[in-house]
Amino acid sequence: SQTIHQWPATLVQPVGSPLSLECTVEGTSNPNLYWYRQAAGRGLQLLFYSVGIGQISSEVPQNLSASRPQDRQFILSSKKLLLSDSGFYLCAWRGLSSYNEQFFGPGTRLTVL
Amino acid sequence: KQEVTQIPAALSVPEGENLVLNCSFTDSAIYNLQWFRQDPGKGLTSLLLIQSSQREQTSGRLNASLDKSSGRSTLYIAASQPGDSATYLCAVSSGNYQLIWGAGTKLIIKP
Repeated sequence: SQTIHQWPATLVQPVGSPLSLECTVEGTSNPNLYWYRQAAGRGLQLLFYSVGIGQISSEVPQNLSASRPQDRQFILSSKKLLLSDSGFYLCAWRGLSSYNEQFFGPGTRLTVL
Repeated sequence: KQEVTQIPAALSVPEGENLVLNCSFTDSAIYNLQWFRQDPGKGLTSLLLIQSSQREQTSGRLNASLDKSSGRSTLYIAASQPGDSATYLCAVSSGNYQLIWGAGTKLIIKP
């Protein structure tokens, strides 16, 4: 069966500090991978998606970036965090034969102070 | 541009009641629609996925329906329990990589 991991679970960072959130998927190959952000009381905002190693598409302009160094690893980064980067970050995967069904990780709660 | 709306934003009902959550979308040309559950501070759990050619899907006490022509989907929860308390999200796929999300309905089941 497939499993998706995210870490850390929670993170408190000062403004201007760097960020690295990691997501890994087990039990599947060549998944589509997604990074979402969920602000308090709001819906999910798609930040990045990837269809393969080294292939990243960005949905919104921001000071975040994403990388996919391995097939089942997806990393969200920032060089300098802003207060507005606070939120709940969710990683998701979609298999090629799953009718667009997406499966989510447990999320990372980021607070920027 | 596809937009997804969920009404109400919050709902509180006594335990044991049957209830319906609503999801509407503006563009009927969808590939599928997915219902998720999110517990506070947790990730999303996929509940039901309805293909565009289907009218409904059932899983246990949950039943999701889809009416593409009217741009509506409902999630029916039978015999609600306190453990059903969560935020329920619907998302629509138009066949590409992306899901378009509603803002969710926060459901509270009172014991």
